[in-house]
Amino acid sequence: GNSVTQMEGPVTLSEEAFLTINCTYTATGYPSLFWYVQYPGEGLQLLLKATKADDKGSNKGFEATYRKETTSFHLEKGSVQVSDSAVYFCALRNSGGSNYKLTFGKGTLLTVNP
Amino acid sequence: EAGVAQSPRYKIIEKRQSVAFWCNPISGHATLYWYQQILGQGPKLLIQFQNNGVVDDSQLPKDRFSAERLKGVDSTLKIQPAKLEDSAVYLCASELSRTGGETQYFGPGTRLLVL
Repeated sequence: GNSVTQMEGPVTLSEEAFLTINCTYTATGYPSLFWYVQYPGEGLQLLLKATKADDKGSNKGFEATYRKETTSFHLEKGSVQVSDSAVYFCALRNSGGSNYKLTFGKGTLLTVNP
Repeated sequence: EAGVAQSPRYKIIEKRQSVAFWCNPISGHATLYWYQQILGQGPKLLIQFQNNGVVDDSQLPKDRFSAERLKGVDSTLKIQPAKLEDSAVYLCASELSRTGGETQYFGPGTRLLVL
């Protein structure tokens, strides 16, 4: 079955530091890959996505590249801000058929200090 | 455009009691999902509706959990009777496309504590 493994947190960084959160997956076929973010007290929000190999998703300074050869979708940001403090979830969903459920990793808590 | 609405936001009950959660998806969204998010874990799908039909309920504990989506719009999720391990955040999500592959939009969730 499908599974997502992401880097365990918590991750604590200083403002303007470089961020990497690792994510690897196991899936049949050619899944779409996502990063969702959950700010304190709020629901999940889509941060970025990639639907095929070598695609790069980007949003708000965050980037992730769909690497089929390493089954990875690592999240990066060159300079984090205090406002980026949140829980980040890597997820995948299969294409085709009628079941489009998301399979999530356990989440990584990021805290950015001023 | 209004987002996915859920109520209540918080609920505290004792074990063996019943509880119900309500979700109003984004207008026009055909697909609706209920996820369970236990503390420290990622959300796990409980049930997926396409309009008012069930697509996937393979991970729904059917001896105690039930869900319905009348008229293909609002949905309710019920737990009867609740167990301690049901303490979690229950997330509702909706999606526009009838064929899938679109973005799922999540509500704020209902945080349930079973004592």
